[in-house]
Amino acid sequence: DGGITQSPKYLFRKEGQNVTLSCEQNLNHDAMYWYRQDPGQGLRLIYYSQIVNDFQKGDIAEGYSVSREKKESFPLTVTSAQKNPTAFYLCASSIERGLSMNTEAFFGQGTRLTVV
Amino acid sequence: AQSVSQHNHHVILSEAASLELGCNYSYGGTVNLFWYVQYPGQHLQLLLKYFSGDPLVKGIKGFEAEFIKSKFSFNLRKPSVQWSDTAEYFCAVQAGTALIFGKGTTLSVSS
Repeated sequence: DGGITQSPKYLFRKEGQNVTLSCEQNLNHDAMYWYRQDPGQGLRLIYYSQIVNDFQKGDIAEGYSVSREKKESFPLTVTSAQKNPTAFYLCASSIERGLSMNTEAFFGQGTRLTVV
Repeated sequence: AQSVSQHNHHVILSEAASLELGCNYSYGGTVNLFWYVQYPGQHLQLLLKYFSGDPLVKGIKGFEAEFIKSKFSFNLRKPSVQWSDTAEYFCAVQAGTALIFGKGTTLSVSS
């Protein structure tokens, strides 16, 4: 069935290690997003991509990197430069980029990353 | 940069009470507006959305929201809440390409 798959659901890493979170969608959506959710902070945009091989920084991109080599995949790497990486990470996609009737975002189940 | 403000961090209501959650955004141009809900242990899902036309938008589960352009607001309402409405509610704005969320409002409904 169609949707957005994030894996793994829980991830533990040692401080100083890079870690990559997976996000795959089979909805044929152009746009994909990565958000970080912290208690009391809502969802903060890390990176977004409107089309393959193109992506833009969001509000809190420092310490993160992304790639968009395929339409269906938008992996997020949390680097050792991210000062406070422990958080819940949400991936989303929407059918079209820009303002249109179809820019509703669909979300994955999220990955909870704990850095120890 | 655009921003979204949700006025209430935590709202506590009894069943059958009326609900209004405030949302204001800062952007002068054309926007798309959304309310999302996150039930405990579940992923975010869309409650309702506004793109154009009638500023009063009806969504799922009896929720509605009114877009008031002059006030840059998109408040969420429900005439009578149920215990099952206990969740976190997020207002979101799209102006251009990025989708920006507010900090969320936790709604607790007691039976």
